[in-house]
Formats: sequence, structure tokens, C-alpha cells
Amino acid sequence: AQSVAQPEDQVNVAEGNPLTVKCTYSVSGNPYLFWYVQYPNRGLQFLLKYITGDNLVKGSYGFEAEFNKSQTSFHLKKPSALVSDSALYFCAVRDSGNTGKLIFGQGTTLQVKP
Amino acid sequence: NAGVTQTPKFRVLKTGQSMTLLCAQDMNHEYMYWYRQDPGMGLRLIHYSVGEGTTAKGEVPDGYNVSRLKKQNFLLGLESAAPSQTSVYFCASRPSGFSFYGYTFGSGTRLTVV
Repeated sequence: AQSVAQPEDQVNVAEGNPLTVKCTYSVSGNPYLFWYVQYPNRGLQFLLKYITGDNLVKGSYGFEAEFNKSQTSFHLKKPSALVSDSALYFCAVRDSGNTGKLIFGQGTTLQVKP
Repeated sequence: NAGVTQTPKFRVLKTGQSMTLLCAQDMNHEYMYWYRQDPGMGLRLIHYSVGEGTTAKGEVPDGYNVSRLKKQNFLLGLESAAPSQTSVYFCASRPSGFSFYGYTFGSGTRLTVV
């Protein structure tokens, strides 16, 4: 079965420090991987995705993610965290069947403290 | 603005009442999805549609029905609401084939069943 795991419920970092939000996946075939962010009482906003090509994917708001096929991971990173980055982050993988549905991880709350 | 619009944004229902959530998209997308978001569980797929007049069950379809009579609209119905259906509901759509952003999400409907 295809799945996504986000092992940390919450990540705390100080403003200005680098941040990492972890994601591992299990999927048959080549993975299509996504990161979304949800601010309080808002919908999901697309951050970045990996389809093929470079293992380091750059996205919105200074975020990037590193695809590691051998470790089946797709960790979200940012070199210098901002307080405004505090939000709920979801990793997702596109189902390999023809429905194209997204399978989500359980989400990680990022708290950036000043 | 083009996108996915969900109505209503908030609703409180009494147990046993019925209601319909509307998702409308103006991007001519083929695929539409209904997810529910619960703390610690990420987003789980309720039902989806791969085109006008078609619907299919997702992971957690019990207690819900859907219809897609028009391509732009995807309705989610609760015939007899239960407290377990208290959740935030998100609709998403995507075009067929490859798309850079892939999925567009609505801003969500927060439903409380008392």
C-alpha cells in the first residue's frame, strides 16, 4: 500500500536557524511528491513538488526539498526560518493508479520562535 | 479569481440533520476530490470524480454521498450527520494529464455536528 509518513508531530526552531521537516514515502513506481502548507483557518497552499530530475527542488517562500530515492525520503528544508513560517506542513504522494489522488502524511506543525 | 470555491465555510449541524457541501471550480478540471482533515490524521479521501457524471469511493466514504452532475461542481452530502463527521472538509481539483501545480484546493468547510 502506498503511504506517506511524517515522523514528527511538531518541529520547533528559532528564527534565523535552518529548519527541516521530515517525510518518508512508500509507493510503487516513480514517486510524484508534494509539500503543502496550511496557515491557521486557511486552505492548503502548494509549496513545491518533485516529479523527476534534480534531487533538490526549490519552491515558494524560500523552501526547498531534497529527494532521496535510496532512503525514500523527501525532507522539506529552509536555510533560515521566519516566525511567519509557523504553520502546518503536509507531505503528499500522488497515487500511482489512474485516479491521481493525493495520499497525505499526518502533518507536522512548525513553530518558529523569535 | 480562478480557483476552487467551497460553500459554506462554516456550519453547525445537529445529529441526524442533513446538509450538502458545494465545491465549484472554474478551471475546467476533470478530476475533483473531497477530503476530510482531522488532527493527527492528515487529509483522508472521502470520494472523488474523474469526470462529469462519475464518482467513486475513497478511503472513508461511509456516511457520505456525492454527485457530479456538472463538470464544474462536486457536491458532498451528509444524509444523517453524526458527531464523528465533525471535521474540516476540503475539495480539490486537477486537470487531466500533467500540470505543474497539479492540484488546487478550496479554503475548506468547518463542520461541527453536535
